[in-house]
Amino acid sequence: DAGITQSPRYKITETGRQVTLMCHQTWSHSYMFWYRQDLGHGLRLIYYSAAADITDKGEVPDGYVVSRSKTENFPLTLESATRSQTSVYFCASSEPTQPQHFGDGTRLSIL
Amino acid sequence: EDQVTQSPEALRLQEGESSSLNCSYTVSGLRGLFWYRQDPGKGPEFLFTLYSAGEEKEKERLKATLTKKESFLHITAPKPEDSATYLCAVQAGNAGNMLTFGGGTRLMVKP
Repeated sequence: DAGITQSPRYKITETGRQVTLMCHQTWSHSYMFWYRQDLGHGLRLIYYSAAADITDKGEVPDGYVVSRSKTENFPLTLESATRSQTSVYFCASSEPTQPQHFGDGTRLSIL
Repeated sequence: EDQVTQSPEALRLQEGESSSLNCSYTVSGLRGLFWYRQDPGKGPEFLFTLYSAGEEKEKERLKATLTKKESFLHITAPKPEDSATYLCAVQAGNAGNMLTFGGGTRLMVKP
């Protein structure tokens, strides 16, 4: 089925380690987004991409790296994980001016 | 800076007891206001887009309305399956495809 999938669904890691969260969409949407969701802060945009090889910072980009070599994939990397990055991460995609559609998230715990 | 405030943070209703959720916003040139539903452990699911003051959209027991400063999500005769967190987001005219989300309203409908 067409859609947006995130992997892994759950991840536990340690501070200082590198971790990559994957996002794959089958709609060929041009835009893709990464959000984190925390109690008291709601959904906050980390990075977004308007097309392959075009990425830009959102509200909370520090400590994160993204790439988009193919339209359908938008991985998010934490280069050196910190406890403050424990969160639920959501990926979304959309066409210009259209609603964003979300994956079911990755719950990341950093010990 | 674009801001979205949702109230109340939590709402408990009896089955059949109608009510409204509020989304107040300040944005530089509203391009669209979006309502999403989020179930526990899932990503936000798109419900409605509203583009201009006076516009209304309906889906089953839900009706969304928009003024120049706020949006309401009216829930008529709710059922337990309407229990979820409802998120409001705005898209500014100068923000590309980015959304600014409110903190959400957690709705609980008791049978």
